[in-house]
Amino acid sequence: KAGVTQTPRYLIKTRGQQVTLSCSPISGHRSVSWYQQTPGQGLQFLFEYFSETQRNKGNFPGRFSGRQFSNSRSEMNVSTLELGDSALYLCASSLWDRANEQYFGPGTRLTVT
Amino acid sequence: DAKTTQPTSMDCAEGRAANLPCNHSTISGNEYVYWYRQIHSQGPQYIIHGLKNNETNEMASLIITEDRKSSTLILPHATLRDTAVYYCIVSLRQTGANNLFFGTGTRLTVIP
Repeated sequence: KAGVTQTPRYLIKTRGQQVTLSCSPISGHRSVSWYQQTPGQGLQFLFEYFSETQRNKGNFPGRFSGRQFSNSRSEMNVSTLELGDSALYLCASSLWDRANEQYFGPGTRLTVT
Repeated sequence: DAKTTQPTSMDCAEGRAANLPCNHSTISGNEYVYWYRQIHSQGPQYIIHGLKNNETNEMASLIITEDRKSSTLILPHATLRDTAVYYCIVSLRQTGANNLFFGTGTRLTVIP
């Protein structure tokens, strides 16, 4: 089976812009979670989607949003980018009945200048 | 969710067993212990999880004390590729919402 894929792998944006990141889960996985990783804050949970519905959300501002499509693929969007949004954004997928056994993608490295 | 405490860093000689401890003294009866690792510049990787009994898979063994207040992840024959940050997480095994909160983990360095 192919693993979790994320696109793009690297991205450079300017402060104030918005960005959309994409994640394709492992085939058969209907749960997709997003995380932000920074050197200062570590790995932090953003949100989780299952069957196109957000069912869990971390403590991030409303500038961070996401969605899931009927094929389980997911996108996350960050609007009005700030310098502090520079981070590695990780996507993970899992089976419905094994929500905590997550399979992570390689991440998207976002740099905001 | 119960809080976990792990050493910040550890070294292990290549070929020897790496024993990574984790304290979770406030764990409740229905919470599981999960272990993940993150190799530099990669996404985290699920290793193993357990509730009460010791568990073993192709990657590692998980030893949970009888009172469940601590556990040890064992990599039986560490290789250089096992150099990574290892996260111990206590969580309910939910069908449904992801319930994982990663702490700072233990940075394991395998030395040639």
